[in-house]
Amino acid sequence: VQMTQSPSYLAASPGESVSISCKASKSISNNLAWYQEKPGKANKLLIHSGSTLQSGTPSRFSGSGSGTDFTLTIRSLESEDFAVYYCQQYNEYPLTFGSGTKLEIK
Amino acid sequence: EVQLVESGGGLVQPGRSLKLSCAASGFTFSNYYMAWVRQAPKKGLEWVATISTSGSRTYYPDSVKGRFTISRDNAKSSLYLQMNSLKSEDTATYYCARHPMGTHPYNWFAYWGQGTLVTVSS
Repeated sequence: VQMTQSPSYLAASPGESVSISCKASKSISNNLAWYQEKPGKANKLLIHSGSTLQSGTPSRFSGSGSGTDFTLTIRSLESEDFAVYYCQQYNEYPLTFGSGTKLEIK
Repeated sequence: EVQLVESGGGLVQPGRSLKLSCAASGFTFSNYYMAWVRQAPKKGLEWVATISTSGSRTYYPDSVKGRFTISRDNAKSSLYLQMNSLKSEDTATYYCARHPMGTHPYNWFAYWGQGTLVTVSS
């Protein structure tokens, strides 16, 4: 399953809201996870099952979608949210990731 | 606290072998499927291998099947990745990752290590 993530780059200001899209090449039900990557830190699981927040994920993060179209939304951006975000499908093998979205401070 | 600490990376010549290790702590290792995921320089993430709780079932993408072998030692809470016939395109940071609790491999990665760098070059 090919995962197409967009945009690849996003610039926003603290306090703004942003959305990242992830599209699967075939239906994956709600078998989608979102991760956050920051330099010098282990990757962090944010959301699984399309919309279920992992314990410890701030409520300003939300996930939506099912089938082939998914969205990660971050409301009221905080400085710690500027990072790279990846989606991943686990509906079938091989497990595959999107190409990533780099969220930078405007 | 869940901790995953990788080791064993380094510079290796094309065609040679290397074995990575991952020391796990903070959870009952034998209860979880485990995996390796890699990231080539300036590239995205690529799943490399998954192993069942007992080690009896393993899963690989075509890009490494037949060359890489994932294994585990539940008594030592350790995960391994034996990499043979290495190619330049295997150059990447390799992450150890834990799947969530479950009895099947169709899952996300709940925890990640910080990775170990493997460079394949002559």
